[in-house]
Amino acid sequence: AQKVTQAQTEISVVEKEDVTLDCVYETRDTTYYLFWYKQPPSGELVFLIRRNSFDEQNEISGRYSWNFQKSTSSFNFTITASQVVGSAVYFCALSEGNNNDMRFGAGTRLTVKP
Amino acid sequence: DAGVTQSPTHLIKTRGQQVTLRCSPKSGHDTVSWYQQALGQGPQFIFQYYEEEERQRGNFPDRFSGHQFPNYSSELNVNALLLGDSALYLCASSPKTGGISYEQYFGPGTRLTVT
Repeated sequence: AQKVTQAQTEISVVEKEDVTLDCVYETRDTTYYLFWYKQPPSGELVFLIRRNSFDEQNEISGRYSWNFQKSTSSFNFTITASQVVGSAVYFCALSEGNNNDMRFGAGTRLTVKP
Repeated sequence: DAGVTQSPTHLIKTRGQQVTLRCSPKSGHDTVSWYQQALGQGPQFIFQYYEEEERQRGNFPDRFSGHQFPNYSSELNVNALLLGDSALYLCASSPKTGGISYEQYFGPGTRLTVT
């Protein structure tokens, strides 16, 4: 069965610090998809990235970067030079190849202080 | 280009009542999924609709049912409401790709409170 663990419940950083959000997943499928979503206080989940199991290339998008390592079943998310507006709950999620059930982790609440 | 829209925004119901939540998918999307998000937790998959049929269901009782219309919009119905049904209900739509495991775009949610 698919499972996503985000061990960090809450993280607090000062503006401009770098922060890494951890995500560890479990799946028996060889084909699967990993996602990160951001949920600001307004409540709407905002899609950040999708990565499939056959593409282990790390990705950078502006101040965001993602490190996908199949060997450790991890898909970590780093924000460089964090900003106060980046305060939100961040969710990691997993879908198995033919399964439409997207399984979310419990989320990490990131607070960026001025 | 309108995103996923949901109505109503907030709803207060009494235990035992029935409720209907509505969702309009993003333009160009044909697959709709529903999630329940309890306070402080991640969203949990309820079910997904594609071609007006329930394609997959999560671990939710039969009190939770849904429908998809020809214009791809969808409804979530919950019967015999329990206090534990209080949550944010999120609708997500996926592009016309057969809908399997591609990114889902979420609406703002409906906050349901059961008293």
